[in-house]
Amino acid sequence: GENVEQHPSTLSVQEGDSAVIKCTYSDSASNYFPWYKQELGKRPQLIIDIRSNVGEKKDQRIAVTLNKTAKHFSLHITETQPEDSAVYFCAAIGGSYIPTFGRGTSLIVHP
Amino acid sequence: NAGVMQNPRHLVRRRGQEARLRCSPMKGHSHVYWYRQLPEEGLKFMVYLQKENIIDESGMPKERFSAEFPKEGPSILRIQQVVRGDSAAYFCASSPMETDTQYFGPGTRLTVL
Repeated sequence: GENVEQHPSTLSVQEGDSAVIKCTYSDSASNYFPWYKQELGKRPQLIIDIRSNVGEKKDQRIAVTLNKTAKHFSLHITETQPEDSAVYFCAAIGGSYIPTFGRGTSLIVHP
Repeated sequence: NAGVMQNPRHLVRRRGQEARLRCSPMKGHSHVYWYRQLPEEGLKFMVYLQKENIIDESGMPKERFSAEFPKEGPSILRIQQVVRGDSAAYFCASSPMETDTQYFGPGTRLTVL
């Protein structure tokens, strides 16, 4: 089955800095890679996603890059703000539509 | 345009009782997924259902756990004879038929005393 590794498990940055979270996957058949943000006690919310026919996607301060050859994808957040503090999960999905999630990255943005 | 709904939001049960968790997908979504999340851990897939069909239940324990998504009404995750290890947050997500983008409900936090 699919295996998704996510790093780092904790990331602490100063407000205004950039944050990068990386994920690797094992199944070359995976073709859809969403990122979710989960605040404490809340539901996971989709923040950005990328499909395997695209190398990069950007939405304001958030971007995701995908390297299919190396089987890794990354989340980039620029100009971080305290409200970006949350746990971020990556996931990889193939033809079965069953996502495999990473273990999460706790992002802390210090004012 | 209501999102995915789950109830109850919090559920307390004593060991040996039954827990019933309900999930109403977004309007127009016919695919439902259930996940379990332990504190400070990721989301673990349990079961994937379409209306009146279980498509994939590979993540669900073989005993005490069952799920259904009837033609009418919400999807239900049932846990019989609960044990303390069942305490967790249970999330459901739904997706439209033709895409694989999933949208999550607010979760049910189950506590077994």
